[in-house]
Amino acid sequence: SAVISQKPSRDICQRGTSLTIQCQVDSQVTMMFWYRQQPGQSLTLIATANQGSEATYESGFVIDKFPISRPNLTFSTLTVSNMSPEDSSIYLCSAGVNTEAFFGQGTRLTVV
Amino acid sequence: GENVEQHPSTLSVQEGDSAVIKCTYSDSASNYFPWYKQELGKRPQLIIDIRSNVGEKKDQRIAVTLNKTAKHFSLHITETQPEDSAVYFCAASRYGGSQGNLIFGKGTKLSVKP
Repeated sequence: SAVISQKPSRDICQRGTSLTIQCQVDSQVTMMFWYRQQPGQSLTLIATANQGSEATYESGFVIDKFPISRPNLTFSTLTVSNMSPEDSSIYLCSAGVNTEAFFGQGTRLTVV
Repeated sequence: GENVEQHPSTLSVQEGDSAVIKCTYSDSASNYFPWYKQELGKRPQLIIDIRSNVGEKKDQRIAVTLNKTAKHFSLHITETQPEDSAVYFCAASRYGGSQGNLIFGKGTKLSVKP
């Protein structure tokens, strides 16, 4: 199994500011993923992050709004930039170990 | 791209009854189909998964069936218990759980009444 830790677990931010979410995995993984889960909704993939290359973004998500870093095989960050109330959501990171995808506990973001 | 449809969106059963949740997928190249359970305020947890070379898989009270021809798969929970109450998500991937992204269904809120 894998332990995935996210920081912060929650935050309340002013519109127009940016928040960086950190994700740490307790083992080396090739790929890490960032998802968004709006209240009561499903998980939507934002992007896939490989170490040493640019992240790959899904339709509807752009690098300027959600820049991602992947400096090594155990760590990634997602920044939510120039936030608006529509960005209020839970952001989850995920990584695969063996054949299973594990999730962090999520970061609950509220933009006011 | 892949699209995963899930139904029902809500399901209420009596304790001890069975529950069935169904999903369909659109991408015939998808070959990995996990099911996640998410309790309120918690992270999704994998409960069972199946690969496209297998038609059925069981783990105690939980089973998953896959029909590749029809592109649908189902979760079966027998002898339901109140602690089974949660939101269940199906997902599909071309690449497997560790190597590729997962496309999720919209979720089923299961309520088990004691």
